[in-house]
Amino acid sequence: DIQITQSPSFLSASIGDTVTITCRASQDIRNRLNWYQQRPGKAPKLLIYDASILEIGVPSRFSGIGYGTHFTFTISRLQPDDFGTYYCQQYDNLPRVFTFGPGAKVDMK
Amino acid sequence: EEQLVESGGQVVQPGRSLRLSCRGSGFRFDRTTMSWVRQAPGKGLEWVAKMKEDGSNEYYGDSVRGRFTISRDNARNSLFLQMNGLRVEDTAVYYCARGGAKRCELWGQGTLVTVSS
Repeated sequence: DIQITQSPSFLSASIGDTVTITCRASQDIRNRLNWYQQRPGKAPKLLIYDASILEIGVPSRFSGIGYGTHFTFTISRLQPDDFGTYYCQQYDNLPRVFTFGPGAKVDMK
Repeated sequence: EEQLVESGGQVVQPGRSLRLSCRGSGFRFDRTTMSWVRQAPGKGLEWVAKMKEDGSNEYYGDSVRGRFTISRDNARNSLFLQMNGLRVEDTAVYYCARGGAKRCELWGQGTLVTVSS
């Protein structure tokens, strides 16, 4: 099975900062990687799919890049609503499973 | 408005069964893969199961395979999760999500299942 790691697992940041989270896959997953935001007490929300495509309605300060085994997610100009936990997720064609990364919590400094 | 609403979560004893439901509205329920994803208290997201739009194929995570069964009733825009042989480690908020072939674009608010004696 493909393993997903995220780093850092926790970071503190201030409003206006640029935040970067990395996701690594144990084998080549091409661009089959998505990013979700989960605010405290809320359901997850899809932000970016296929490594770099912004979901409709998601602000452009969110961005993603990567291919193969190394992926990066960036929040530019951090806003108060951006504090929460971010998960990457990969999908396999065979076997047809989903795997979430362990999450990266972004907290206020 | 596109929406998913879960129900059925409650406190149950280990070994017992429980059935969760999810009702979709505002979109073509019968044209999309649907999934269940859970989150144990203070933990990350864990994909549980998914079913294709026509119910022809279902897939499960390793920790629930053989105990949980996903099903759907497209006429009622509903998704279900039958959970048998519940364990303490199944305690979690269970989310219904639209999608699952590649990504989950829409999520419900979740329903809490607590397995405890």
